[in-house]
Amino acid sequence: SAVISQKPSRDICQRGTSLTIQCQVDSQVTMMFWYRQQPGQSLTLIATANQGSEATYESGFVIDKFPISRPNLTFSTLTVSNMSPEDSSIYLCSVGLPGRETQYFGPGTRLLVL
Amino acid sequence: GENVEQHPSTLSVQEGDSAVIKCTYSDSASNYFPWYKQELGKGPQLIIDIRSNVGEKKDQRIAVTLNKTAKHFSLHITETQPEDSAVYFCAASNGAAGNKLTFGGGTRVLVKP
Repeated sequence: SAVISQKPSRDICQRGTSLTIQCQVDSQVTMMFWYRQQPGQSLTLIATANQGSEATYESGFVIDKFPISRPNLTFSTLTVSNMSPEDSSIYLCSVGLPGRETQYFGPGTRLLVL
Repeated sequence: GENVEQHPSTLSVQEGDSAVIKCTYSDSASNYFPWYKQELGKGPQLIIDIRSNVGEKKDQRIAVTLNKTAKHFSLHITETQPEDSAVYFCAASNGAAGNKLTFGGGTRVLVKP
């Protein structure tokens, strides 16, 4: 498996502001993903973070709202831009190890937008 | 795209009894089916997975079965304990489509002492 950390673990933000969430892995991984989990709901994939190139977004998610960076094989960031209360969710990163389908999740970032 | 349905949404069992959660998927190309356990305030933790070339897999008190023809798979927890109380998610992915996971809606399991 892999040890995954996320920063911050939680935050309370004002509407209209932006928050950048960091995901750090203790080993090089091939795949990194970002998910959103709205209160009491399941997980929805936002995008695949591609190392050295633009992220691949799922239907309903756009780069202007959720810009993603992945400068190397162990680190990625997700920014939630121009936040509204509807963005209040848990944001989770997950990683896939080389040659394996298995994904491991970080602890999540709990975001509350007022 | 893939659609995963999960039932029941809540499940209450007496300690020591068995719990069964069922999922169906729509995309016949899906070939990997993990199960995650999420405790309050934590990220999902992989507890067991199964690939499409296997019909059943067991790990101590946890087992998963897969019926490719019917496109459904199930999680079985035997001899449940209070620490099994959590939300459980099934998921499906297709390696040829980038291993993106599609999750079921989740099952909240409560094990009563």
